[in-house]
Amino acid sequence: DTGVSQNPRHKITKRGQNVTFRCDPISEHNRLYWYRQTLGQGPEFLTYFQNEAQLEKSRLLSDRFSAERPKGSFSTLEIQRTEQGDSAMYLCASSPMGKVRDIQYFGAGTRLSVL
Amino acid sequence: QQPVQSPQAVILREGEDAVINCSSSKALYSVHWYRQKHGEAPVFLMILLKGGEQKGHDKISASFNEKKQQSSLYLTASQLSYSGTYFCGTEIESQGNLIFGKGTKLSVKP
Repeated sequence: DTGVSQNPRHKITKRGQNVTFRCDPISEHNRLYWYRQTLGQGPEFLTYFQNEAQLEKSRLLSDRFSAERPKGSFSTLEIQRTEQGDSAMYLCASSPMGKVRDIQYFGAGTRLSVL
Repeated sequence: QQPVQSPQAVILREGEDAVINCSSSKALYSVHWYRQKHGEAPVFLMILLKGGEQKGHDKISASFNEKKQQSSLYLTASQLSYSGTYFCGTEIESQGNLIFGKGTKLSVKP
């Protein structure tokens, strides 16, 4: 079974540009989470999905951020009009429903650098 | 709301033991422990649920004091591979999302 896959691994963009990241969760995992991590900090929750429904969004997720999970499979996170403060590692995690539903398995992340 | 981890950093010699603490001001549904090496994904170590259930790696143990909203991770007979930053993630009332502490950097020296 493959783990959580995130693409691209690195993204360099200029301020004001739009970027989109993709996350492919572990097969049959119902829940999918997005976190943001900056240097020296723990992951910060952004949003999560249960199947295709977006159940919760952090107040950190400004109007410039949008996430989708069509058909309850892969998910995309889009940042519009990027700012230098958006530079961070964006992590995706997935978890199954069931007895061990709470364990979140993380992908390696997409590192965003906004110049 | 962010849990507080202590210590912030610790240096060990191979074979020594360490305890990492995580404390929350909120009532917790579960506590999750992860280890992250530089440039890599956080790796699941242990989950402790309200009510006493826990699941994790055989060589790592942890405790969860529900009344005090505190958890501790016990690393015994440390190995070089234990080096990394340890994060606790707390879940409030089965919300689903985790709130992570700032991490504890563990360095194991030969």
